[in-house]
Amino acid sequence: NAGVTQTPKFQVLKTGQSMTLQCAQDMNHEYMSWYRQDPGMGLRLIHYSVGAGITDQGEVPNGYNVSRSTTEDFPLRLLSAAPSQTSVYFCASRARVGGTEAFFGQGTRLTVV
Amino acid sequence: GENVEQHPSTLSVQEGDSAVIKCTYSDSASNYFPWYKQELGKGPQLIIDIRSNVGEKKDQRIAVTLNKTAKHFSLHITETQPEDSAVYFCAAHTNTGNQFYFGTGTSLTVIP
Repeated sequence: NAGVTQTPKFQVLKTGQSMTLQCAQDMNHEYMSWYRQDPGMGLRLIHYSVGAGITDQGEVPNGYNVSRSTTEDFPLRLLSAAPSQTSVYFCASRARVGGTEAFFGQGTRLTVV
Repeated sequence: GENVEQHPSTLSVQEGDSAVIKCTYSDSASNYFPWYKQELGKGPQLIIDIRSNVGEKKDQRIAVTLNKTAKHFSLHITETQPEDSAVYFCAAHTNTGNQFYFGTGTSLTVIP
C-alpha cells in the first residue's frame, strides 16, 4: 500500500515557467489537499477537493490551479512560477470530510530562480 | 478564520526528560486537534489526536490534553528518546471551514 505519492521530489524552475506537481493516493480517500511549508509559517492550505470534480480554494491559492478528475489524482499546477513560490509542497488525503487523520506525501521541494 | 499559535518554536531536552509543546486556537467551533511529527525530509505523520468531547488522551509515552474553555491544547512526551527528535505540528479542524489550521511547528531536539 503506497499511500500518498508525490512526484517529483525536487524541482528547479525559472521564473515564468509552468509545471505540474503530481499527487496520487491509493486509499480511496474522498478528501485531498495541497499545502505549502515555509520556514516559521507551518503548513498553509493552497487548494483542496472533497471529491472527484469538486475543488475549492484554501488560504493561499493565488498562482496555483488544481483539478480532480479521478478520486486517486490531484495535480497542482503552477501557471507562471515566481520566486515567492519557492517552498516545500505537500499533498495530503483523508478518508472523508470532517476531522479524520490526514496522510501526507513525502513532499516536493521546489526552487524558483 | 481559525488561528493556531504554537510554542515554543525550538525545544531541547536531555534524554529521559519530558517535553511539553503548547498550542492555542481561536475558533470555538474547532472540534478536532491532531498532532503531527515531521522527520527530516519526510511528510508529517499523525502521532496522536483528540476530539473536543475529551479532555485527555494517552498513547504510551505521548499524551495530549485539551482545555476547551481556555482554547488550548498541549502535547506531552515523557521519557524522551533521541528518535523523538523532529518537528512537531499541532492543528485544529473546524467543520465550518472543513480544513486543518496548523501551528508554526516546534523543533524538538533530544540530547543523548
